[in-house]
Amino acid sequence: DGGITQSPKYLFRKEGQNVTLSCEQNLNHDAMYWYRQDPGQGLRLIYYSQIVNDFQKGDIAEGYSVSREKKESFPLTVTSAQKNPTAFYLCASTLQVFSGNTIYFGEGSWLTVV
Amino acid sequence: GDSVTQMEGPVTLSEEAFLTINCTYTATGYPSLFWYVQYPGEGLQLLLKATKADDKGSNKGFEATYRKETTSFHLEKGSVQVSDSAVYFCALGRPGGGADGLTFGKGTHLIIQP
Repeated sequence: DGGITQSPKYLFRKEGQNVTLSCEQNLNHDAMYWYRQDPGQGLRLIYYSQIVNDFQKGDIAEGYSVSREKKESFPLTVTSAQKNPTAFYLCASTLQVFSGNTIYFGEGSWLTVV
Repeated sequence: GDSVTQMEGPVTLSEEAFLTINCTYTATGYPSLFWYVQYPGEGLQLLLKATKADDKGSNKGFEATYRKETTSFHLEKGSVQVSDSAVYFCALGRPGGGADGLTFGKGTHLIIQP
């Protein structure tokens, strides 16, 4: 089945560690996104990518990094510079960058700092 | 800049009640409008959308009409069920294509009691 796969579903990070969240899509979508979700704050855009080997910072990029080496993959690294990383992370994609196109989401990954 | 405002929750209703979740937006031009639903611990799923003024999106008994004159896209359902309990997000896509994805409201938590 086509879709967006995020892994792991649950991840625990120790202070000072970098962790990487995986996002893979087999929808042949051009654009991919990472959002962070905190209770009561809705979704905030971390990074986005329109094409392979290109990505842009979103509203809250500090402490995060991404890569887009393949069309189907857009991993997110949460670095030790991110001071409050505990949140629900959502990966998304869309066929083309167009305001009417639907954005599809993965199932999300929970990151907790221990 | 663009923004989406939703009524704050939680909204608690009895089964078979009529539902309205208000959504208003601020944007230049004619954005596309979306409603997404998020069930506990999951990603967001598209519920319905409308891409131009006076369009009505509908799905699973939910409806919303794109009202340009009031800059609104209120979500309605005639008879809610317990299974409709979820968080609902209103979102807009920028006219002409927004490379940075959608702008989301903060979400409205809906609780349906049997």
